[in-house]
Amino acid sequence: DGGITQSPKYLFRKEGQNVTLSCEQNLNHDAMYWYRQDPGQGLRLIYYSQIVNDFQKGDIAEGYSVSREKKESFPLTVTSAQKNPTAFYLCASRKGTGLAQGNQPQHFGDGTRLSIL
Amino acid sequence: AQSVTQPDIHITVSEGASLELRCNYSYGATPYLFWYVQSPGQGLQLLLKYFSGDTLVQGIKGFEAEFKRSQSSFNLRKPSVHWSDAAEYFCAVGARVGANNLFFGTGTRLTVIP
Repeated sequence: DGGITQSPKYLFRKEGQNVTLSCEQNLNHDAMYWYRQDPGQGLRLIYYSQIVNDFQKGDIAEGYSVSREKKESFPLTVTSAQKNPTAFYLCASRKGTGLAQGNQPQHFGDGTRLSIL
Repeated sequence: AQSVTQPDIHITVSEGASLELRCNYSYGATPYLFWYVQSPGQGLQLLLKYFSGDTLVQGIKGFEAEFKRSQSSFNLRKPSVHWSDAAEYFCAVGARVGANNLFFGTGTRLTVIP
């Protein structure tokens, strides 16, 4: 079955350390997204990508970086510049690009919970 | 800019009772509308979506939602709640032009009591 795989499920970061969250999809979707979820704040968009080698900042991109070298993969790096990284991170993908994207639902992975040591 | 408001942070209902979760959106035209459900520690699962046409849409797990343009609302309903429906529910809006991502509400947590 096609889907989105996020790993690891739990991740711990030390002070000054960068950590990378993996997101892989085999749905042949063009667009991929990273969201951060904090209690009572819903989902906030970090970065998104509509095509390989291109990505756009979302609402809370500071302290994060991404790459999109392959269509299937959209890893998120939480850098040491992100001072409050403890959260639940969700990766999503959607079929279609441009104006055709709006009517396509996003499909989500099961998330990675990041905590500070 | 698009925005979504879910005014109820937490709702408690008895098993077998009916349910309505509220969602109001702000957008200059008719948006694409979605409801997602999230179980603890899990990702989001799509319940239903509205693009156009019939304003009452049916989804999975016995849920339905009604789009009311005059009220800018897209409320989620279920006639009889099951204990397994306990979860967090998110309403989301997507633009028909320009933007390529979804905007989510802050969620409503549903508790089901026996």
